[in-house]
Amino acid sequence: EADIYQTPRYLVIGTGKKITLECSQTMGHDKMYWYQQDPGMELHLIHYSYGVNSTEKGDLSSESTVSRIRTEHFPLTLESARPSHTSQYLCASSAAGGWDTQYFGPGTRLTVL
Amino acid sequence: AQKVTQAQTEISVVEKEDVTLDCVYETRDTTYYLFWYKQPPSGELVFLIRRNSFDEQNEISGRYSWNFQKSTSSFNFTITASQVVDSAVYFCALNHFSGNTPLVFGKGTRLSVIA
Repeated sequence: EADIYQTPRYLVIGTGKKITLECSQTMGHDKMYWYQQDPGMELHLIHYSYGVNSTEKGDLSSESTVSRIRTEHFPLTLESARPSHTSQYLCASSAAGGWDTQYFGPGTRLTVL
Repeated sequence: AQKVTQAQTEISVVEKEDVTLDCVYETRDTTYYLFWYKQPPSGELVFLIRRNSFDEQNEISGRYSWNFQKSTSSFNFTITASQVVDSAVYFCALNHFSGNTPLVFGKGTRLSVIA
């Protein structure tokens, strides 16, 4: 059983607001990821990190930013939310090797009005 | 470059039917890892299985079974005697042996099991 947490689970906000989606894991995993996904559709990798102070952009261009100051914490920030950001955001983590399973959090469903 | 193709976008079956979800992958690596995940309507991705490229033994877990064939670069997933609770989106994924690049996911197959 994976221990990876996301808050909030649901968020409805107005356009222009700054928001931070939280993701934490207690497994000591070096690698963490953020995906954007419209419900039941393709997963789009938007950010990932292979360790503290290391972040990379994923395949999908995103207006969000991330930080990795602590191993267990990988927050995602939108400086100015727009309706086009409405989606589900999934956080995941894994240990270092290619064999290691990537575990997912429960997701945050964001709606921007 | 690595690629995963799940050609079946949506499948609909009647309860108790068997169903196979196809996964075809592309990689130049000789060592790699394959995964299947399930995403029920609740939205969370649940890990089902992983396989390394040197182990072509079929795997069975209850009603689930996986058929890995390197000759056809396929890693297919069969659900026997499907149930309504199997309704979900299923994703196949591929990883480089080093883990130095992110997991590559297919686009998913939505399975609907009708009572």
